[in-house]
Amino acid sequence: EPEVTQTPSHQVTQMGQEVILRCVPISNHLYFYWYRQILGQKVEFLVSFYNNEISEKSEIFDDQFSVERPDGSNFTLKIRSTKLEDSAMYFCASMFIRGPTEAFFGQGTRLTVV
Amino acid sequence: DQQVKQNSPSLSVQEGRISILNCDYTNSMFDYFLWYKKYPAEGPTFLISISSIKDKNEDGRFTVFLNKSAKHLSLHIVPSQPGDSAVYFCAASEIGAARQLTFGSGTQLTVLP
Repeated sequence: EPEVTQTPSHQVTQMGQEVILRCVPISNHLYFYWYRQILGQKVEFLVSFYNNEISEKSEIFDDQFSVERPDGSNFTLKIRSTKLEDSAMYFCASMFIRGPTEAFFGQGTRLTVV
Repeated sequence: DQQVKQNSPSLSVQEGRISILNCDYTNSMFDYFLWYKKYPAEGPTFLISISSIKDKNEDGRFTVFLNKSAKHLSLHIVPSQPGDSAVYFCAASEIGAARQLTFGSGTQLTVLP
């Protein structure tokens, strides 16, 4: 069964460093998302991406964040200068069509900022 | 700004009995509702969904009920099995360009053998 894959599974970084989280969405999907879950809190929407551009973003997704689809398969989330409060599980998701339909999630990347 | 609420952080049920998980929402623009199941250190896994034009959707042991007037939905699992023990998230999306999901805070279901 096709699945969304994320790398790395765990990333530890120093405050102020840049990190790139990687995702390979399901191959025929057209809509891509990043969500995050801070420990003990809800899963929160960060950004959606369609047709090589951001279609929607939340207030969490400030200038420190960026997304890119550098080739036909990868979808990346970059945090330019990490802060302690960026520590969270980051989930990539993809959707075949705009919906309404379900989104498929990757297994997540645990980001720890020290 | 809790547009999707799951008021029960945990639920314990005996194996073979019914599990009922509840979810309330406030945003009238939501037209599609989903339940996801999540194990520790894994991503959410889609379970079942329902469109706002329906009031019930069934898939095997899982049934979702939607009461639009009360802005309430519930997930019924019958019969419950120990493998169902996980965190269950209610989520919703509204008509719009991105169809992003708004999640509830989750309910930890424990099915006791």
